[in-house]
Amino acid sequence: EVHLVESGGNLVQPGGSLRLSCAASGFTLSDHDMDWVRQAPGKGLEWVGRTRNRPQGYTTDYAASVEGRFTISRDDVKNSIYLQMNRLKTEDTGDYYCVVWISRVGFWGQGTLVTVSS
Amino acid sequence: EVVLTQSPGTLSLSPGERATLSCRASQTVSSTYLAWHQQKPGQAPRLLIYSASMRATGIPDRFSGSGSGTDFTLTISRLEPEDSAMYYCQNYGTSPTYSFGRGTKVEIK
Repeated sequence: EVHLVESGGNLVQPGGSLRLSCAASGFTLSDHDMDWVRQAPGKGLEWVGRTRNRPQGYTTDYAASVEGRFTISRDDVKNSIYLQMNRLKTEDTGDYYCVVWISRVGFWGQGTLVTVSS
Repeated sequence: EVVLTQSPGTLSLSPGERATLSCRASQTVSSTYLAWHQQKPGQAPRLLIYSASMRATGIPDRFSGSGSGTDFTLTISRLEPEDSAMYYCQNYGTSPTYSFGRGTKVEIK
């Protein structure tokens, strides 16, 4: 069974940094693309970034709103992906979800809350 | 970048009625990579439909997806009270970004 558990959400000041983790089980991480998606309070879903699978060279892409500030990495041995968030802004506040795509089917984690506030 | 426009913003219907949700893309999207997600208040989203028309595991058959090119539709044939939720379409295959629509809120009267 596919299972994703996000962690690392916290209260952080504007300009600060935070690293989120997504622990995966039930599948082989290196075989699949994985996304980070976020949702500001009371707003819709926003795609943040993607790390592609090993056959695609583990390439990454990011939304324009986070390009240059956020970095996705993965550790296939630990079955985890990470979202390093730097130079955080108040508008980065929200729930952050990881999603894995397996044979075109998406599986969501339960999310972790990031609050950027002074 | 593909922009997805969902309509209507809100749909208010009675139990047993049919709901039709639209998702229009600014450029052609591969049907293979068009998804619909459902999100209920206080919960994480979950996948309803993938590849435009394929139901995810455990999704009731009253949910169906259709469309191709730039026009896609999610249909709920007979609304149940538990279908009250936000519904988002997503392009998840036409790189380099994988945007969501702004969502349609389905309210059950």
